[in-house]
Amino acid sequence: KQEVTQIPAALSVPEGENLVLNCSFTDSAIYNLQWFRQDPGKGLTSLLLIQSSQREQTSGRLNASLDKSSGRSTLYIAASQPGDSATYLCAVLSSGSARQLTFGSGTQLTVLP
Amino acid sequence: DAGVIQSPRHEVTEMGQEVTLRCKPISGHDYLFWYRQTMMRGLELLIYFNNNVPIDDSGMPEDRFSAKMPNASFSTLKIQPSEPRDSAVYFCASTKGTNGYTFGSGTRLTVV
Repeated sequence: KQEVTQIPAALSVPEGENLVLNCSFTDSAIYNLQWFRQDPGKGLTSLLLIQSSQREQTSGRLNASLDKSSGRSTLYIAASQPGDSATYLCAVLSSGSARQLTFGSGTQLTVLP
Repeated sequence: DAGVIQSPRHEVTEMGQEVTLRCKPISGHDYLFWYRQTMMRGLELLIYFNNNVPIDDSGMPEDRFSAKMPNASFSTLKIQPSEPRDSAVYFCASTKGTNGYTFGSGTRLTVV
């Protein structure tokens, strides 16, 4: 059974810092890995999707990498801003007939002005 | 594209009443998912459909919960009778094949 772990559970940084959020998964047989952002009381917004054949994806100040063999992904946020404060969730779609997206428990990020 | 549309955004109901949550997936997506999110349990998959057919409902907590997808553009999640422990945010999501998931804004359900 796939398990997804996110470290750290919470992170507080001053504005302008570059930061890395970590995600690890136990089963490397995956279709893709997706990073989401969730603001308090809101839905999940997709940030980046990395297919299993890809190593990384970039969108603006965000860069996500995938190392399938080691079961790891990182989300890099450059020049953090207070508006980046949110919970970041990593989710893995495992290979096979089931279409269950397995979520990590999230990293709660606070960027201080 | 308007994304995944859920209604209502908020629902407050009394214990024992029937509650119906609605979802319109993105056109062309062949998978639809219902999730529940609570502080204690995080995101839980309740049920998902492929081409309007329920595939896995093992996450549905009990017989009080039921879901239907009468066509490719509409799905409902019904709770009858509702109980206070059903209070949560219910999300609908859709995708095509093994592409990324798109989530709706959710329905915040409060059962008093």
